[in-house]
Amino acid sequence: QKEVEQDPGPLSVPEGAIVSLNCTYSNSAFQYFMWYRQYSRKGPELLMYTYSSGNKEDGRFTAQVDKSSKYISLFIRDSQPSDSATYLCAMPDNYGQNFVFGPGTRLSVLP
Amino acid sequence: EAGVAQSPRYKIIEKRQSVAFWCNPISGHATLYWYQQILGQGPKLLIQFQNNGVVDDSQLPKDRFSAERLKGVDSTLKIQPAKLEDSAVYLCASSLGAVEQFFGPGTRLTVL
Repeated sequence: QKEVEQDPGPLSVPEGAIVSLNCTYSNSAFQYFMWYRQYSRKGPELLMYTYSSGNKEDGRFTAQVDKSSKYISLFIRDSQPSDSATYLCAMPDNYGQNFVFGPGTRLSVLP
Repeated sequence: EAGVAQSPRYKIIEKRQSVAFWCNPISGHATLYWYQQILGQGPKLLIQFQNNGVVDDSQLPKDRFSAERLKGVDSTLKIQPAKLEDSAVYLCASSLGAVEQFFGPGTRLTVL
C-alpha cells in the first residue's frame, strides 16, 4: 500500500461547480496536511495546510482532515477555469521532514 | 521577492551521459529540497539540506546521483551516468520553516 493515495482523475466539471478532491494516507504519524496546486509545466504552489482534524477555510477553498479515517479533502466552491490544474496532497513525517506527496488529481473546469 | 531559480529549464542527453542542475533558493531560506517528479506522479523527495548539511538523503540513488550545497545557498544536483528512467522533472524548493515550501519551475530532463 502506498503511503498517500489520490484518484488521478482527470476530473472535469462545469464552471461554478463544487469540486471535492481527496487523499487517503496510511501513516498515522503524519501531523501536517497540505494541498498544493500545480499548473502545467510549473512547480507546485502551496494552497493550504492544516494541522488538526476539522475544517479550515480560505476564500473558495476548504480543507478538511479526518485523522481517525486517515482521509483529507479539499473543496473548491464556485470553481473557475483558472482552477484547472493538478492538485497534490502532501504530508511531512512527524519531524517536519521527508515530505510525501500524493500522485495528484488532474482537474479541468470547463467554461 | 524573487522566487526559486533553476537552470537549465530543459535538458536532453543520451543515456550514460552526465548532467547537472542548478538551484538558487529564496534569499534567507535555510532549507533546500530536491525532488524528482516523473510524469503522472507526485514529487519524490531526493535530498533535503539544512544550510550546508544534509538532513535526509534516504531516497537519493547515491550510486549515480549526488548533490551539494556550498556556503548554504546555491545547490547543484548531478546525475552520472544517466539512465532512461531518470527522465523526469527535477524540482528545487526552499523554505524558512518546516511547513511551507516554495518551488522553482523545475528542470525537465529527457534521457534518450
